[in-house]
Amino acid sequence: SQQGEEDPQALSIQEGENATMNCSYKTSINNLQWYRQNSGRGLVHLILIRSNEREKHSGRLRVTLDTSKKSSSLLITASRAADTASYFCATDASGGGADGLTFGKGTHLIIQP
Amino acid sequence: DVKVTQSSRYLVKRTGEKVFLECVQDMDHENMFWYRQDPGLGLRLIYFSYDVKMKEKGDIPEGYSVSREKKERFSLILESASTNQTSMYLCASSPLLSGQYNEQFFGPGTRLTVL
Repeated sequence: SQQGEEDPQALSIQEGENATMNCSYKTSINNLQWYRQNSGRGLVHLILIRSNEREKHSGRLRVTLDTSKKSSSLLITASRAADTASYFCATDASGGGADGLTFGKGTHLIIQP
Repeated sequence: DVKVTQSSRYLVKRTGEKVFLECVQDMDHENMFWYRQDPGLGLRLIYFSYDVKMKEKGDIPEGYSVSREKKERFSLILESASTNQTSMYLCASSPLLSGQYNEQFFGPGTRLTVL
């Protein structure tokens, strides 16, 4: 399967700063989703953006989608220590032939107090 | 709130044993999924099911089988556990809306160690 790729693999910033992580993918999509995973736990859905949308907001989260470049970015503003986690993008490929979501390998975000 | 539960948080088994991992969801979702998660490899889909008694292979089905006898329950079976199946196993469920795969709800995971 063709995975999304998050960039960077790891990111360490100071509390209060903004964190930006990127996701690139290879196929046409119906939607792209971002998930968070705290250490040793299951994933939690953060936000979904459909292929006909360019930007979406949810609280301190801002997601953009550029289908021409096959890329997305997740911005977390005013970061907090509790935002320390791994973040994954997942794509729902369009055009059939793919089943379910395809997840990237994740960005590990550390917020320094 | 949607709840997805997995039968064990930690499990230790011996090589050659038959292992059952159970997952239950309480939101009447059509779709259920089993993933394994390994460092540096992300989440990889093992099997999924879109209806009772229906199953489809994911990316890495070898060495695994599944069972979905009831809509709320999806079981992952390791027929003969091997050390390379030591991993974190994650179950998820989701509704199928408008023909798209939407938000998935994950269980807490089962960390399986095969000795």
